Amino acid sequence: GAVVSQHPSRVICKSGTSVKIECRSLDFQATTMFWYRQFPKQSLMLMATSNEGSKATYEQGVEKDKFLINHASLTLSTLTVTSAHPEDSSFYICSATDRQYSYEQYFGPGTRLTVT
Amino acid sequence: DAKTTQPTSMDCAEGRAANLPCNHSTISGNEYVYWYRQIHSQGPQYIIHGLKNNETNEMASLIITEDRKSSTLILPHATLRDTAVYYCIVRDNFNKFYFGSGTKLNVKP
Repeated sequence: GAVVSQHPSRVICKSGTSVKIECRSLDFQATTMFWYRQFPKQSLMLMATSNEGSKATYEQGVEKDKFLINHASLTLSTLTVTSAHPEDSSFYICSATDRQYSYEQYFGPGTRLTVT
Repeated sequence: DAKTTQPTSMDCAEGRAANLPCNHSTISGNEYVYWYRQIHSQGPQYIIHGLKNNETNEMASLIITEDRKSSTLILPHATLRDTAVYYCIVRDNFNKFYFGSGTKLNVKP
């Protein structure tokens, strides 16, 4: 089956620094990748949609200058949390859709970000 | 915004069928219903999806009402490893998923 990986799985950073999270589709080409955020005991919240070679589209209320998304190839998207603050601490999950079978989203294992 | 509503939690005895309901009364004619589950601190796992017909795969069955305003996910023989949060999602025309609050299924021995 289609596999999506994320790196790192856990990261701790100091307040004010930036951190980059990678999302890779390992065995398929991803037309579109999505980024979600999940706070403890809550559901996943869609942050942005990223298409290869074009600018990401952000959901209402998500700051595009704070959460920089780059989708440079059909197998890699990155999310950079800039000037992180403790309230950015969360579980970040990406998903990808297969170019040929775009109906299903394959989810990565998630990245736990803790900002101290 | 999520187009689905689900019960907050359900219990099921191990070995019995688990029937998880979902309401999606505002679903449009070409929008699909997807089911995913999430085990603690992991990414969601795909289970099944459908448009209007009932569907079955090796994991589960999906029953969609004729008016498409609700559906039921059936796990035929629940095991302890099926304990998870189950999300019913309506995929919009831009292929986006808006997750609702999901149902916490507790499978008990």
